[in-house]
Amino acid sequence: GENVEQHPSTLSVQEGDSAVIKCTYSDSASNYFPWYKQELGKRPQLIIDIRSNVGEKKDQRIAVTLNKTAKHFSLHITETQPEDSAVYFCAGQNTGFQKLVFGTGTRLLVSP
Amino acid sequence: DTEVTQTPKHLVMGMTNKKSLKCEQHMGHRAMYWYKQKAKKPPELMFVYSYEKLSINESVPSRFSPECPNSSLLNLHLHALQPEDSALYLCASSQDAQGLNLPQHFGDGTRLSIL
Repeated sequence: GENVEQHPSTLSVQEGDSAVIKCTYSDSASNYFPWYKQELGKRPQLIIDIRSNVGEKKDQRIAVTLNKTAKHFSLHITETQPEDSAVYFCAGQNTGFQKLVFGTGTRLLVSP
Repeated sequence: DTEVTQTPKHLVMGMTNKKSLKCEQHMGHRAMYWYKQKAKKPPELMFVYSYEKLSINESVPSRFSPECPNSSLLNLHLHALQPEDSALYLCASSQDAQGLNLPQHFGDGTRLSIL
């Protein structure tokens, strides 16, 4: 089955810096990769997703890149703000199946 | 707007109690999910319902019993739980469980404590 690894487990940046979180997946048939942000005590919230037919997707300060050959994808947050502080989970899925597999999470702390 | 509603928000129960968690969505989604999340861990899939039929059971103990009365509702019946079952239980829904209509949207969860 699919296995998703995520690094780093903790990331501390200064406000205004960029943050990058990386994930690797094991199943080459996986073709859907969402990212979720979870603030303390709240629901995981979908922030961006990418499918394997594109290499990059951007939404304002957030971008995701996908390298199918290397089986890794990354979340890029530019001009970080304190409200970006949260736990971020990557995930992967083969859309022919019904199971979404999550990475282990990255705790991002943005200091003012 | 995407919204998945879960009740109750908090639940404390003894090991001999029977209780139910409820989840509701009115987005016309045909796939619904139960996840268990322990502190500082990712959500862990328990069950998937697709078009009101159970399609995935991730080897969950029988003390957890899911039910999908209709396309908008999902229940999780709890009986004889163990202290290690204390966790945040999340419900999610998506237009479909596979194919193109995948993004899963989560509810706020029920924080369950077993005494």
